[in-house]
Amino acid sequence: DTAVSQTPKYLVTQMGNDKSIKCEQNLGHDTMYWYKQDSKKFLKIMFSYNNKELIINETVPNRFSPKSPDKAHLNLHINSLELGDSAVYFCASSHPRVYEQYFGPGTRLTVT
Amino acid sequence: TQLLEQSPQFLSIQEGENLTVYCNSSSVFSSLQWYRQEPGEGPVLLVTVVTGGEVKKLKRLTFQFGDARKDSSLHITAAQPGDTGLYLCAAGAGSYQLTFGKGTKLSVIP
Repeated sequence: DTAVSQTPKYLVTQMGNDKSIKCEQNLGHDTMYWYKQDSKKFLKIMFSYNNKELIINETVPNRFSPKSPDKAHLNLHINSLELGDSAVYFCASSHPRVYEQYFGPGTRLTVT
Repeated sequence: TQLLEQSPQFLSIQEGENLTVYCNSSSVFSSLQWYRQEPGEGPVLLVTVVTGGEVKKLKRLTFQFGDARKDSSLHITAAQPGDTGLYLCAAGAGSYQLTFGKGTKLSVIP
């Protein structure tokens, strides 16, 4: 059984395009996250949602817009993609107020 | 923003050797976690330590939380090629937020 799943696994697109990444978890967690991992493998939090409500919004360009239709899903939409957006994006989930997080397999985004 | 400094950044050892990876900060944390990430995969939680001075063992891996809860170490005994990966420490920075170190990339050569 897949705990945290993301689609697509790979995404190659041109500058200026708009794209979405989807995330689903079947762990019954209330809290979900988006992370960005750069080429040096540094993992940085972008957003956190608890029970469909935005909790954390780090310094992320407003071209990035998360959306949580329900507790099990957290999608990430990116407008006007730039070269610097190329990275691996990870979705994660956890119980509220618990630090242990469960990560998806990642989406490798390449902007050309 | 709390910073977690991991060392070494890269480590390449022969199968059967022992190694230690360090995670240090000037901040005090309520808990600290270690994750392992394999190529093309997401990080997988190995352990959480919460008490100063705590030692936890996971087969050949030994995790220690510093007495002051500012630092942690991961020791691997008799490393195996399957231990190869990126080891990340992470600490709680608030109710919902984890701060990650930059990771130690371990290669175990058969």
